[in-house]
Amino acid sequence: DAKTTQPPSMDCAEGRAANLPCNHSTISGNEYVYWYRQIHSQGPQYIIHGLKNNETNEMASLIITEDRKSSTLILPHATLRDTAVYYCIASPQGGSEKLVFGKGTKLTVNP
Amino acid sequence: DADVTQTPRNRITKTGKRIMLECSQTKGHDRMYWYRQDPGLGLRLIYYSFDVKDINKGEISDGYSVSRQAQAKFSLSLESAIPNQTALYFCATSDYRPGGAAGELFFGEGSRLTVL
Repeated sequence: DAKTTQPPSMDCAEGRAANLPCNHSTISGNEYVYWYRQIHSQGPQYIIHGLKNNETNEMASLIITEDRKSSTLILPHATLRDTAVYYCIASPQGGSEKLVFGKGTKLTVNP
Repeated sequence: DADVTQTPRNRITKTGKRIMLECSQTKGHDRMYWYRQDPGLGLRLIYYSFDVKDINKGEISDGYSVSRQAQAKFSLSLESAIPNQTALYFCATSDYRPGGAAGELFFGEGSRLTVL
């Protein structure tokens, strides 16, 4: 599985867009990029995933570079409730048991 | 009610005691998982089950055992707890999507275990 690299922490002002980067330079062609978040010791929550194309849902947008070596999770209008640890995972298609949760990025949204 | 329910939510026990953490789900998923999280670290997979008769070891299964009593129930046991098993434990479920992306994981609220 491809290793992902994320900054350990980031800050964002409430109401502004939060852009969380993830590097996955060794990603292979059949590996998806997944994002989960964990709010203060609660169970992690799925956000979004993608393979090649950019994706958007009600929570966030996922922008994957054309070479697929990096991606950005965008929270368009961050709120205080978006303060959490965000995990970027690159994993091959198939079972969820293959998802490996690293240390993630601690996003703090400030008022 | 939560889709994935863990009990107990908090437990303090002593070294050598047997502990069982229970998980039940109403998602109707066949696949269930147990993870462990230590402070400042990500989640590590302990055991996972594809159905009642299919149980598999994860990354850190030593010192743990599991039982899949029914589709909806998956329990984690520590036969003889030790202090370095002090951690936050999560149960999760997912469906399976053959040939595509991994199914979305749905997590419980966690069980905080302290072994003295």
